[in-house]
Amino acid sequence: NAGVTQTPKFRILKIGQSMTLQCTQDMNHNYMYWYRQDPGMGLKLIYYSVGAGITDKGEVPNGYNVSRSTTEDFPLRLELAAPSQTSVYFCASSGARTGGGYTFGSGTRLTVV
Amino acid sequence: GENVEQHPSTLSVQEGDSAVIKCTYSDSASNYFPWYKQELGKRPQLIIDIRSNVGEKKDQRIAVTLNKTAKHFSLHITETQPEDSAVYFCAASRGTYQGGSEKLVFGKGTKLTVNP
Repeated sequence: NAGVTQTPKFRILKIGQSMTLQCTQDMNHNYMYWYRQDPGMGLKLIYYSVGAGITDKGEVPNGYNVSRSTTEDFPLRLELAAPSQTSVYFCASSGARTGGGYTFGSGTRLTVV
Repeated sequence: GENVEQHPSTLSVQEGDSAVIKCTYSDSASNYFPWYKQELGKRPQLIIDIRSNVGEKKDQRIAVTLNKTAKHFSLHITETQPEDSAVYFCAASRGTYQGGSEKLVFGKGTKLTVNP
């Protein structure tokens, strides 16, 4: 199993541009999450999904959108990128066999200039 | 919503000493408390977790304690080694289900440095 795969690993965006951060998992996990990590601020939940077709906002959803058309994929869309969205983005999943723990992807480091 | 406070933000110990990191939470409905270790430039990795029906859990040099009445839980690392140096995050959620885990709220992290 590859686990949770995120692409790209690094990206530089100009203000106002848009992009999609990809996340896919091959563990048949129902639950998937997007977090952002700013220096010294821990991880903050952007959006999460409890299954295909179901998504919900987390703590910091403004400026982002998600979709969950399949169990495997949970892309995060940034519209009109702003410098405040410079961060490291982690996708994670959890399922019946994880006992509650998350499996994280390797992260995407995004810089908006 | 849930709020998780973590202390200290930085901790420096000598190799072989013990390290303790403490977290408090606000939501009395929270019942799942994992700890994650994140090395520089890497993803967070689960190292230990505890559920509300248990007061203490150990795994080799790592232990976690939970006081539900006081709403705090702690990570204890004994006989620390340089490879324990990392950022540690506590987290809390309302529970785990057969399909997965309710969303986690994380503390801000503790940077642990173990000096040789």
